[in-house]
Amino acid sequence: DGGITQSPKYLFRKEGQNVTLSCEQNLNHDAMYWYRQDPGQGLRLIYYSQIVNDFQKGDIAEGYSVSREKKESFPLTVTSAQKNPTAFYLCASNDPFAGEEYGYTFGSGTRLTVV
Amino acid sequence: DAKTTQPPSMDCAEGRAANLPCNHSTISGNEYVYWYRQIHSQGPQYIIHGLKNNETNEMASLIITEDRKSSTLILPHATLRDTAVYYCIVRVKNAGGTSYGKLTFGQGTILTVHP
Repeated sequence: DGGITQSPKYLFRKEGQNVTLSCEQNLNHDAMYWYRQDPGQGLRLIYYSQIVNDFQKGDIAEGYSVSREKKESFPLTVTSAQKNPTAFYLCASNDPFAGEEYGYTFGSGTRLTVV
Repeated sequence: DAKTTQPPSMDCAEGRAANLPCNHSTISGNEYVYWYRQIHSQGPQYIIHGLKNNETNEMASLIITEDRKSSTLILPHATLRDTAVYYCIVRVKNAGGTSYGKLTFGQGTILTVHP
């Protein structure tokens, strides 16, 4: 089945360490997105990519980095510069040329905890 | 993108219709209304979208007022599995009909369906 796979589901990081969250999709979608969700809050956009080798900052990009070397992959690195990284991270993708009824497809998320 | 206002929480009895309101009084003529829902600790799921006409699909109905300043998502026969956070989002569909760009999530409405 087509979809988005995020790994790992749970991740623990020590303060001062960088950590990379994986996001892979087999939907052949051009656009991919990373969102952060804090308890009781909506989603906030970190980075997005409309095409391979191109990406744009979202609303809260500080302390994060991404790459888009392949269409199906959009990894997110949480760097030590991110002061409050504990959160639920969601990856999404969409086909910009498809009908709106296909919407955005989200992964099942990675819960990152700083210990 | 226009800002939306939703009640923080609502209750509904199983088998009854759930009517979730959304105010978007600053919506522009080219902005669509989208509804997504998020079941606990999962990624959001697309439900329905519309521009100015009422819409219905296998999941829900969307009623948009004539002035487009508000809308209502209707789940006709709510089940326990419909318990989730429901997000109302308004967004411009890009030129050429493509759908790049972020979805701006507010805090949504927590819908609790009880037996």
